[in-house]
Amino acid sequence: AQKVTQAQTEISVVEKEDVTLDCVYETRDTTYYLFWYKQPPSGELVFLIRRNSFDEQNEISGRYSWNFQKSTSSFNFTITASQVVDSAVYFCALSGNQGGKLIFGQGTELSVKP
Amino acid sequence: DAMVIQNPRYQVTQFGKPVTLSCSQTLNHNVMYWYQQKSSQAPKLLFHYYDKDFNNEADTPDNFQSRRPNTSFCFLDIRSPGLGDAAMYLCATRLGGLETQYFGPGTRLLVL
Repeated sequence: AQKVTQAQTEISVVEKEDVTLDCVYETRDTTYYLFWYKQPPSGELVFLIRRNSFDEQNEISGRYSWNFQKSTSSFNFTITASQVVDSAVYFCALSGNQGGKLIFGQGTELSVKP
Repeated sequence: DAMVIQNPRYQVTQFGKPVTLSCSQTLNHNVMYWYQQKSSQAPKLLFHYYDKDFNNEADTPDNFQSRRPNTSFCFLDIRSPGLGDAAMYLCATRLGGLETQYFGPGTRLLVL
């Protein structure tokens, strides 16, 4: 069975703070993909990043960085110097050998206050 | 330019009155998905098309149907909406062989 767990339901930070969103996954597939999506209040799911199971290299994109560790089955997301525009629900997701089907975590609602 | 388009963005219907939501894409992706997302929950896959092949999730109610007349368009039909069907409906596309799904802005459905 595949499962994604985002233990943090809500996080509230003050602008310019760093914040890390946790994601832990379970899968028996040897090849799989991990994703982060952002869902602002407007409702659209915005793709942020995809990592495959063979690439554990961490990635940085501007203020965003991702830490993928297969040993702990985690794919954590850090926002550096958070801004009010970062306020959204963030979903971690997994796809394996099921025709591209996405398994979502429950989401973490991030609130960045000025 | 919008790549996955959903119309309308907001839809109000009456209990039991059939409603159709539409999705179109300019990406020429061969896979299209429909998700239902209720408040404070993760998106839940209803079904998807791989080219013309329809794939229904086991727990999708019969009340939900879909049509894909061509590569660009996909429709979600709710035959007899109930109050519990009020939700955000998200369409997504993917190019077969690649793993990333791209989502449209969603249609918020309200059932009165």
